[in-house]
Amino acid sequence: SAVISQKPSRDICQRGTSLTIQCQVDSQVTMMFWYRQQPGQSLTLIATANQGSEATYESGFVIDKFPISRPNLTFSTLTVSNMSPEDSSIYLCSVAGTGTTYEQYFGPGTRLTVT
Amino acid sequence: GQNIDQPTEMTATEGAIVQINCTYQTSGFNGLFWYQQHAGEAPTFLSYNVLDGLEEKGRFSSFLSRSKGYSYLLLKELQMKDSASYLCHLNNDMRFGAGTRLTVKP
Repeated sequence: SAVISQKPSRDICQRGTSLTIQCQVDSQVTMMFWYRQQPGQSLTLIATANQGSEATYESGFVIDKFPISRPNLTFSTLTVSNMSPEDSSIYLCSVAGTGTTYEQYFGPGTRLTVT
Repeated sequence: GQNIDQPTEMTATEGAIVQINCTYQTSGFNGLFWYQQHAGEAPTFLSYNVLDGLEEKGRFSSFLSRSKGYSYLLLKELQMKDSASYLCHLNNDMRFGAGTRLTVKP
C-alpha cells in the first residue's frame, strides 16, 4: 500500500484566485490521478498526472483551468485557476498500486470552498 | 463513469448480512475492485478479484464471475460503522461509478 498526504486539507478562497494542492506519496509510483467529488456525488476523474510529460485530461477538464505538475514519481500538484463557486468541491489525489492489479490508494482530500 | 450497474441505495440491520451486486458491460480488465467510502472521507481499498470465485477477508467477501459480468460484495455481521458507499470498480478505467450507499440501522 501507499501513504499519501495532501496539502492543504481545506481552504476557503475568493472568486478569481487560484489554489495549488500538493500531493505527496511515501514511495515511487507510476500512476497518479486527480479527482474531485462534490457532496453526495461520485468521484469525477480530472486527469492522469504523467511524470515527465503533460497530464492527460478527461473530457470537460482543460489544462488552463487545472494545470498539473508531476516533477517526480512521488509528488504532484493540481492548481485550480480563476476559481468560481462552482469549483467548490473535495479534490483527491490517488495512486495506483505497484502490483499487477493496480488497486488505488487515495489521499485524504482537500476541501475547497470558493466564495 | 464506467459502464457498471449497482443499486443506488440499500438498507440493512445491524448484525445481518448484506450482498451488494455489481454488473458490468466491459471486458479486458485485469481486476475488479471494491472500495468503501464513508461520508466526507476518501475511498479506501477493500478487496479485489482477478480470478473467478470468492475472496474472503474477515467480514467482507467479494465474488467475481467474468462469464456473467457479475460481482458482489458480501458484508457479514453488519456494524453501524459499515454505513458507507461501496464502489465497484474495474481497473481498465480510472473513472468511478456512483456506487451503492449502504445504511445500517440498529
